[in-house]
Amino acid sequence: DVKVTQSSRYLVKRTGEKVFLECVQDMDHENMFWYRQDPGLGLRLIYFSYDVKMKEKGDIPEGYSVSREKKERFSLILESASTNQTSMYLCASSTTSLAGGLFFGAGTRLSVL
Amino acid sequence: DQQVKQNSPSLSVQEGRISILNCDYTNSMFDYFLWYKKYPAEGPTFLISISSIKDKNEDGRFTVFLNKSAKHLSLHIVPSQPGDSAVYFCAARGVYGQNFVFGPGTRLSVLP
Repeated sequence: DVKVTQSSRYLVKRTGEKVFLECVQDMDHENMFWYRQDPGLGLRLIYFSYDVKMKEKGDIPEGYSVSREKKERFSLILESASTNQTSMYLCASSTTSLAGGLFFGAGTRLSVL
Repeated sequence: DQQVKQNSPSLSVQEGRISILNCDYTNSMFDYFLWYKKYPAEGPTFLISISSIKDKNEDGRFTVFLNKSAKHLSLHIVPSQPGDSAVYFCAARGVYGQNFVFGPGTRLSVLP
């Protein structure tokens, strides 16, 4: 069974903290993505990666960075967490052609206090 | 500006009836569309897709219709079941795109 695993389901952090969200996929997919989901706004793309050490900005990259040192792992980093980054974060992976769509992890609910 | 729109934030339907969820898009370069279903505290799961070369795709109780001239697609669920209650997202891929653009979602409630 294919799987995208996010390291934490729930996180509570303080303003100004550095936050790491980890994602691992076991499908040997080339592409990996980080989205955030907010009510009324749907899923918005933060960053994506189409290969190891490669990254592309999505629609809302400000305040975030990413790291992809290995094909199966894609990390999202909040350099200095702020309250407006309280959200549901979703990691996804796909083949290069996006055929079959995106496979999502269960999500991480991050609260920044 | 949203390229993929789902103008109904919520929809309530009686069990056994048809649910129709709508999606509009603005970019004529989109060539592949998907519907995802999302339960609370879970990641979205793939439901059904349609390529721009087709106008209909069916999978069990789920049918997606695509009207390219109107830049409109719809998801029909027949018959609707209480377990279908979830948020449904429409997503589109551009021909040269490396990712999908998602709509804001429609919350479907199927009432017993």
